Amino acid sequence: EAAVTQSPRNKVAVTGGKVTLSCNQTNNHNNMYWYRQDTGHGLRLIHYSYGAGSTEKGDIPDGYKASRPSQENFSLILELATPSQTSVYFCASGDPSSYEQYFGPGTRLTVL
Amino acid sequence: QQKVQQSPESLTVSEGAMASLNCTFSDGTSNNFRWYRQHSAKGLEVLVSIFSDGEKEEGRFTAHLNRANLHVSLHIREPQPSDSAVYLCAVSMVTNAYKVIFGKGTHLHVLP
Repeated sequence: EAAVTQSPRNKVAVTGGKVTLSCNQTNNHNNMYWYRQDTGHGLRLIHYSYGAGSTEKGDIPDGYKASRPSQENFSLILELATPSQTSVYFCASGDPSSYEQYFGPGTRLTVL
Repeated sequence: QQKVQQSPESLTVSEGAMASLNCTFSDGTSNNFRWYRQHSAKGLEVLVSIFSDGEKEEGRFTAHLNRANLHVSLHIREPQPSDSAVYLCAVSMVTNAYKVIFGKGTHLHVLP
């Protein structure tokens, strides 16, 4: 049974619209992460969290907000979506003591 | 800023022949290295993690780490067409366990 799930799996949004990507993990990991993956850039860290109520900026946080209301859930929010945010977004959970990160299946977002 | 570079960008091997992938990193204080496999923009599957110089084997996958040369490699024994995927190198630093830097990946094609 999948330990990290993401919803939706595919999303088409309009420029200027609000988009919320959701992630749920059953690993009971303290750490959670949001990445985007683009051709030529690999995986880049947007936001991360080390527990419920905390969010931290990653390498490319501009245009994104994050929310961690509980141990299990971590959301990525695009308040005003732009075409440059068209990408595949991956959520991961991790145990800092082992450095391991476990990834969800990804969300393909298209902003028109 | 840590730089992680992978080579080659693309590799084609015949089924059963050894496949060797390379990853170089710029920060010698890095202390954890992982190889992931990704099929067609799906989620990432961890293959092998290595913490210290030498080699670590997980089934048909063997990682070699040479920290002095800032180099970690992945060798796939008896590759099969189902191993055709993108392979990503991930490097963590002791100064920030939350932060993982990924390489851009090697596209491996295994011919039957």
